[in-house]
Amino acid sequence: AQSVTQLDSQVPVFEEAPVELRCNYSSSVSVYLFWYVQYPNQGLQLLLKYLSGSTLVKGINGFEAEFNKSQTSFHLRKPSVHISDTAEYFCAVTTYNTDKLIFGTGTRLQVFP
Amino acid sequence: NAGVTQTPKFQVLKTGQSMTLQCAQDMNHNSMYWYRQDPGMGLRLIYYSASEGTTDKGEVPNGYNVSRLNKREFSLRLESAAPSQTSVYFCASARGQRSTDTQYFGPGTRLTVL
Repeated sequence: AQSVTQLDSQVPVFEEAPVELRCNYSSSVSVYLFWYVQYPNQGLQLLLKYLSGSTLVKGINGFEAEFNKSQTSFHLRKPSVHISDTAEYFCAVTTYNTDKLIFGTGTRLQVFP
Repeated sequence: NAGVTQTPKFQVLKTGQSMTLQCAQDMNHNSMYWYRQDPGMGLRLIYYSASEGTTDKGEVPNGYNVSRLNKREFSLRLESAAPSQTSVYFCASARGQRSTDTQYFGPGTRLTVL
């Protein structure tokens, strides 16, 4: 069975600073990986996903993530954050032989002015 | 185009009461999902429906039942609520039936069971 670990429950950062949110997965088969964002009092929305091809995936709002098979990681990055990026970010994993997404526990990104 | 809508937004129940959470989508999606979100635990799948007329258990189905009423609507029922079911419930839908399809989420229902 696959699993996903988000190592940081909270990440505080100042506006315009770079940020990296960490995600590691475990699976015995090939994986597909996702990042979803949840703004305060809203449902989740897709930021980006890796299905195949280039390991560097670009998403909405200037975010990108890199799939690293050897490190079993899919870290999310943004070179310069904005106050409006304050939200909870969820990493998720699935495989070809399952019909379910497995979500991590989430990382709360707090951007300070 | 409202996307995924959920009712009610908030609900307080007493232990043992029953209620149904409603979910509807207007995107003509085939798959629908119910998740619960608890602090420090992320989202956990309760039930899902890959197509009209089919439902399957997810990770935490105990204490819940679902109905895929038609292609648009997918309801979640708590027959006898327990304090452990205090949570935020999210409904989601996806165009296809594969786990790689993007899921679109509703705004959530915050349920408190006293």
